[in-house]
Amino acid sequence: GAVVSQHPSWVICKSGTSVKIECRSLDFQATTMFWYRQFPKQSLMLMATSNEGSKATYEQGVEKDKFLINHASLTLSTLTVTSAHPEDSSFYICSASILARYEQYFGPGTRLTVT
Amino acid sequence: AQSVTQLGSHVSVSEGALVLLRCNYSSSVPPYLFWYVQYPNQGLQLLLKYTSAATLVKGINGFEAEFKKSETSFHLTKPSAHMSDAAEYFCAVSDQAGGGADGLTFGKGTHLIIQP
Repeated sequence: GAVVSQHPSWVICKSGTSVKIECRSLDFQATTMFWYRQFPKQSLMLMATSNEGSKATYEQGVEKDKFLINHASLTLSTLTVTSAHPEDSSFYICSASILARYEQYFGPGTRLTVT
Repeated sequence: AQSVTQLGSHVSVSEGALVLLRCNYSSSVPPYLFWYVQYPNQGLQLLLKYTSAATLVKGINGFEAEFKKSETSFHLTKPSAHMSDAAEYFCAVSDQAGGGADGLTFGKGTHLIIQP
């Protein structure tokens, strides 16, 4: 149980275009979803926290107009990277949690390459 | 603010030897602590978690960790390393008060190498 999927697993896009990444909790309803970014051989950095039907809360230094997060249902959150640039190339990982379970379930990640 | 320090970006042990991965945390509030493992090109898998119950926590794959408040540590151990344990290990902390609704603060990770 507690499976989280991400789609796509790998995407290449041209500089200036936008790309959408989906995060789904497959067998549970997530109270909260999180988006992290991981640079090669580095740790995960929290980008934003989102609750269903509410605006996402972004961490300091994360541009909310560039990284659009939509949390339309208890099982789906999307991250849209707008006007992507090569420096946005990274591994984006989502996670989902159930309130009071004190545990996050991580998706497999999406590798974004901007050319 | 919370932070996590993992001592040693790379740890190498022989197969069958003790595995010890160090994690120290800084938190102004009672923390929840986690160890995750990441295999190449895969997502994070929870090994174990401390959520203010028993200070010695047992996880999957024979791993365990002990919460030591006086030392602000949560080191991960396994008595006998297997080749399959080779992976990246992350220690993470979150705020208890959030009830699990807070994002995690991760350490930089430790790459565990198992020598045959």
